[in-house]
Amino acid sequence: DAGVIQSPRHEVTEMGQEVTLRCKPISGHNSLFWYRQTMMRGLELLIYFNNNVPIDDSGMPEDRFSAKMPNASFSTLKIQPSEPRDSAVYFCASSYRPRGGRTKNIQYFGAGTRLSVL
Amino acid sequence: SQQGEEDPQALSIQEGENATMNCSYKTSINNLQWYRQNSGRGLVHLILIRSNEREKHSGRLRVTLDTSKKSSSLLITASRAADTASYFCATDAGNYGQNFVFGPGTRLSVLP
Repeated sequence: DAGVIQSPRHEVTEMGQEVTLRCKPISGHNSLFWYRQTMMRGLELLIYFNNNVPIDDSGMPEDRFSAKMPNASFSTLKIQPSEPRDSAVYFCASSYRPRGGRTKNIQYFGAGTRLSVL
Repeated sequence: SQQGEEDPQALSIQEGENATMNCSYKTSINNLQWYRQNSGRGLVHLILIRSNEREKHSGRLRVTLDTSKKSSSLLITASRAADTASYFCATDAGNYGQNFVFGPGTRLSVLP
């Protein structure tokens, strides 16, 4: 398997523009996570999907951020309008959550998208 | 909310030496995991230890867990320059993706 694939790897945009980050999880995984990493705040969970359904979006900073997972093999994180403080590395991670039992949430990360908002 | 806190924030050692990193957390957990992040890359899972386990080994990695002190340690033996990376602990308090929190990380530099 190619692992979790994120695109683009780098994005430079101007304040006010719309930004869309993309993620393809590992085939067969049914949970997907979006994180944001900055020096100041570390790694923050933004939103978590299970079976394509958003389960917890309490980490989404504000209404400018939205995430979708239209099918099991694709997810997007959109920022509209973007602001300089959104500059960070955004990671997507996926895992397989079996039904029932004690589950281990071992996450597989993509290489990340480095976003710079000027 | 709980959070894993790694200690030290940065560690610099010579190749061949052992590296020890610590993680403290605040509430009960189901398991604790350690991840590594090389510069410019995503995180990679290293090892998981369940709350009812006290020690676990994987190659040159040794993880301990003390639930009474709410702390864990990661020991890397016979370090190599390739071990240079940031190491994060992640606490899983259950409910799968929820209550899964990464600490701020320890930056390890292994000098040749």
